[in-house]
Amino acid sequence: GAVVSQHPSWVICKSGTSVKIECRSLDFQATTMFWYRQFPKQSLMLMATSNEGSKATYEQGVEKDKFLINHASLTLSTLTVTSAHPEDSSFYICSARASEYNEQFFGPGTRLTVL
Amino acid sequence: GNSVTQMEGPVTLSEEAFLTINCTYTATGYPSLFWYVQYPGEGLQLLLKATKADDKGSNKGFEATYRKETTSFHLEKGSVQVSDSAVYFCALRPNQGGKLIFGQGTELSVKP
Repeated sequence: GAVVSQHPSWVICKSGTSVKIECRSLDFQATTMFWYRQFPKQSLMLMATSNEGSKATYEQGVEKDKFLINHASLTLSTLTVTSAHPEDSSFYICSARASEYNEQFFGPGTRLTVL
Repeated sequence: GNSVTQMEGPVTLSEEAFLTINCTYTATGYPSLFWYVQYPGEGLQLLLKATKADDKGSNKGFEATYRKETTSFHLEKGSVQVSDSAVYFCALRPNQGGKLIFGQGTELSVKP
């Protein structure tokens, strides 16, 4: 089946530093990748959609300069949280979709804690 | 607009009890409907889906039927296990290639 991995699975950083989260599709080429944020006991909030080789499309209210998304290849997308602050602490989940699959496959998530 | 509404949790059941988690949706056209499950500390896994009216999705003993007349996609299981404890998300996709729209999630806790 289609597998999506994320790295790291959890990260703790100091306020003001930047953190990069990787999302990889392991056995398929992901033409589109999605980044979600999930607060405790809440639903997933779509942050942005990225297509390989083009700029990400951000949802309303998401700061594109704060959350940098790069979809450089068909198997890798990265989310960089720049100058992280405690309010950025959250569970970040990516998902990937290939043109041959009519569904999205989700990664296991990355727990970010900003001190 | 498009939206998904789920019954509020948490839902607490004893092992082998019957489960129903209600899900209703609002959408134009003919969306695809999904149930995802999230186990503690993990990402989402697709549980089942249905792409047109009257389709029944099923997996691991869970079932849901796409009811266009009531705009519903209720999740059911005849006999739950402790291992089914998780958060369940109902979702719709308005059209092929469109974005998934999630309900708020329903936490299920199954006690031995």
